[in-house]
Amino acid sequence: EVQLVQSGAEVKKPGESLKISCRGSGYTFASHWIGWVRQMPGKGLECMGIIFPGGSDIRYSPSFQGQVTMSADKSINTAYLQLSSLKASDTGIYYCARHLSYSGSLDAFDIWGQGTMVTVSS
Amino acid sequence: TVMTQSPLSLPVTPGEPASISCRSSQSLLHTNGYNYLNWYVQKPGQSPHLLIYLGSNRASGVPDRFGGSGSGTDFTLTINRVEAEDVGVYYCMQTLQTPFTFGPGTKVDIK
Repeated sequence: EVQLVQSGAEVKKPGESLKISCRGSGYTFASHWIGWVRQMPGKGLECMGIIFPGGSDIRYSPSFQGQVTMSADKSINTAYLQLSSLKASDTGIYYCARHLSYSGSLDAFDIWGQGTMVTVSS
Repeated sequence: TVMTQSPLSLPVTPGEPASISCRSSQSLLHTNGYNYLNWYVQKPGQSPHLLIYLGSNRASGVPDRFGGSGSGTDFTLTINRVEAEDVGVYYCMQTLQTPFTFGPGTKVDIK
């Protein structure tokens, strides 16, 4: 079964950092781009950026550039999202998702992780 | 690329058809002939999951009552006969160019 499994919920204080993990299984992890999507409480979906685990290509969305760091370790089939200097406004659910490539390009997010709830509160 | 959806709320009657419109601020039609427009549904308490990719292709396991159509900047998701399990928030998303962007979502619930 193809799946992405994310690390568990986190509660942090303002100013702290955290690193969310996303482990893929059931497919060749290094061959598919991984995207990160944020969902703030009661709101819609925002794409934070994408990373290719098999190389060094990372594309951050301008809204998140400089605020987050994406990385991947293909040897353990895991992608990471690091959030630094956390603020209350970083509270939300963070999803990783795998890119489907049917057309030869980046088509759609076809497999999603279960989400990681992040709460930032003093 | 800015994505808009209408309506933002859609009360539906089981057994009846329903449709959601999605518009993009730029054409999503690539020179390869594909429209880079996808549809997702997020059911309450769940992760989003893919319904339609490249404008009109049903994802694996998606019932055939779901259909996607359109090209360029105007797209439609159609549910032929709504079922009670179809309640949730439906999002369109463009993947023609980064940053990928989602529409605001359409909340579908039962009348």
